[in-house]
Amino acid sequence: DIVLTQSPGTLSLSPGERATLSCRASQSVRNSYLAWYQQKPGQAPRLLIFGASSRATDIPDRFSGSGSGTDFTLTISRLEPEDFAVYYCQQYGSSPTFGQGTKLEIK
Amino acid sequence: QVQLQESGPGLVKPSETLSLTCTVSGGSISNYYWSWIRQPPGKGLEWIGYIYYSGSTNYNPSLKSRVTISVDTSKNQFSLRLNSVTAADTAVYYCASAPLYSSWLPEVWGQGTLVTVSS
Repeated sequence: DIVLTQSPGTLSLSPGERATLSCRASQSVRNSYLAWYQQKPGQAPRLLIFGASSRATDIPDRFSGSGSGTDFTLTISRLEPEDFAVYYCQQYGSSPTFGQGTKLEIK
Repeated sequence: QVQLQESGPGLVKPSETLSLTCTVSGGSISNYYWSWIRQPPGKGLEWIGYIYYSGSTNYNPSLKSRVTISVDTSKNQFSLRLNSVTAADTAVYYCASAPLYSSWLPEVWGQGTLVTVSS
């Protein structure tokens, strides 16, 4: 299994700031099949990014993804109040696995 | 856009079988792969497996010996059975759709249902 390690565990920022979340894989992710999800308390995860850098339907352009191989990044250019949540990466190039999550909290 | 709704018992006894159903609306069951994912309280996500309308399946190797996913195209439903459950199987269980071009990518999720394993 591919192990995904997300950092940091918690990120404290203010609205309007830029957020950078990292996801590192224990081995190369085939075809950059890496996705990012956002989860708010009591809700299901919502797909933000797939294929490392493609935004899912109706996702604002302040969300962007990058990376390849074993290192991937989710960037939120200017944080809105509704962006504070837990973010998970997932690889789907082989039997799917998820990272442990990064909690983005209001500073 | 497709919508999904999980249903089933919220409490299961240890050693028994957990059974859940996901009802699909707003789309044809033949146009997607259908997945189950779970999340223990306060923890991360674990992919369980998927099924295609033809009946072909793919399971998480760590759960494969206990999991069965099936589909009923006439009812636009698919189901999860997990046998020999323990407290470690307590989780919110989500069903999700995955696109035909990527069977392992959960795209649209149901709201989830909490299943507690306890006597």
